[in-house]
Amino acid sequence: DAMVIQNPRYQVTQFGKPVTLSCSQTLNHNVMYWYQQKSSQAPKLLFHYYDKDFNNEADTPDNFQSRRPNTSFCFLDIRSPGLGDAAMYLCATSSGGAEAFFGQGTRLTVV
Amino acid sequence: AQSVTQPDIHITVSEGASLELRCNYSYGATPYLFWYVQSPGQGLQLLLKYFSGDTLVQGIKGFEAEFKRSQSSFNLRKPSVHWSDAAEYFCARSGGYNKLIFGAGTRLAVHP
Repeated sequence: DAMVIQNPRYQVTQFGKPVTLSCSQTLNHNVMYWYQQKSSQAPKLLFHYYDKDFNNEADTPDNFQSRRPNTSFCFLDIRSPGLGDAAMYLCATSSGGAEAFFGQGTRLTVV
Repeated sequence: AQSVTQPDIHITVSEGASLELRCNYSYGATPYLFWYVQSPGQGLQLLLKYFSGDTLVQGIKGFEAEFKRSQSSFNLRKPSVHWSDAAEYFCARSGGYNKLIFGAGTRLAVHP
């Protein structure tokens, strides 16, 4: 029973072409996160939502945006992907203060 | 600043041998502590967590971890490693504002 679902699992996009990654959850958690993970590195938090409150990390580039239209869904928009944005993008949820549940990730390739 | 240190980048063990992965956290107050495992190309799976109480916590897949306040450590252990345990292991602590702070990870290789 998948609880945090990310689509697609693999995404190829062209340099500079906007791309959207999606995440849905069946846990009804109020917190949703987006992490970027580059090869052989720890996940890096980009931003998170506490309910509808958006919290951006200070070093997250403006090129990355997010939307959360309802409790279940969250989107990551990359407005103009560069080669350096190629990474695994992980969505996670939590009920606040407890452990995070991760999706399977979306592997983004920029060509 | 809050941080998590995993001193070992790579560890190789033989199948059937015991395993200990080290994790140290900074900042005095007892945080919530976690161990996650990540297989190649996959998301992170929670192995175990420590919030309070008994300092020896049991997790899935035969893993356990011991919280030692005096050493600011939360080391992960398994008495007998299986080839399927080969993966990347991340220690994490709770940060402020619902965040998780991850260590750099330890990549585990298992020799047959």
